[in-house]
Amino acid sequence: GENVEQHPSTLSVQEGDSAVIKCTYSDSASNYFPWYKQELGKGPQLIIDIRSNVGEKKDQRIAVTLNKTAKHFSLHITETQPEDSAVYFCAAYDAGKSTFGDGTTLTVKP
Amino acid sequence: EADIYQTPRYLVIGTGKKITLECSQTMGHDKMYWYQQDPGMELHLIHYSYGVNSTEKGDLSSESTVSRIRTEHFPLTLESARPSHTSQYLCASSELGQPQHFGDGTRLSIL
Repeated sequence: GENVEQHPSTLSVQEGDSAVIKCTYSDSASNYFPWYKQELGKGPQLIIDIRSNVGEKKDQRIAVTLNKTAKHFSLHITETQPEDSAVYFCAAYDAGKSTFGDGTTLTVKP
Repeated sequence: EADIYQTPRYLVIGTGKKITLECSQTMGHDKMYWYQQDPGMELHLIHYSYGVNSTEKGDLSSESTVSRIRTEHFPLTLESARPSHTSQYLCASSELGQPQHFGDGTRLSIL
């Protein structure tokens, strides 16, 4: 089955800096890669996603890149703000099943 | 603006009690899921359903059971709660090939 590895497990940045979270997946059949943000006391919420026919997608300060050959995808957050502090999960989807990474706790220091 | 609802949000209960955690979604999604998560930690899939009368066990062994009698409702039951069941339980739903929509979870504490 699919295996998703997510790095780093914790990330601390200064407000205004950029943050990058990376995920690798094992199953080349995976074709959909969502990213979720989980704030304290809430369930994970989708923030951006990318499908396997696209290499990059951007939405304001967040972007996701996908390298199908290397089987890795990354979340980029620019101009970080304290409200970006949360746990972020990547996921890889194939044949009706999503496999999640173990999460990255991002702390943005004001 | 969540369209998936979990009740209760918090539950503190004694060992040996029977517990049912409720999950309902109004989006008409066929697929529904239950995850167990310690705060801020990884998500462990414990049950999922492809539709009415379909239930499957997930990757993490769980002593809980689920049922799917109606599309919108996917309750999770613990017949006899133990302290080891203390955790957060998240419910989610999706359409095939689409992202999952999560509820805000039930924080369960077994004394």
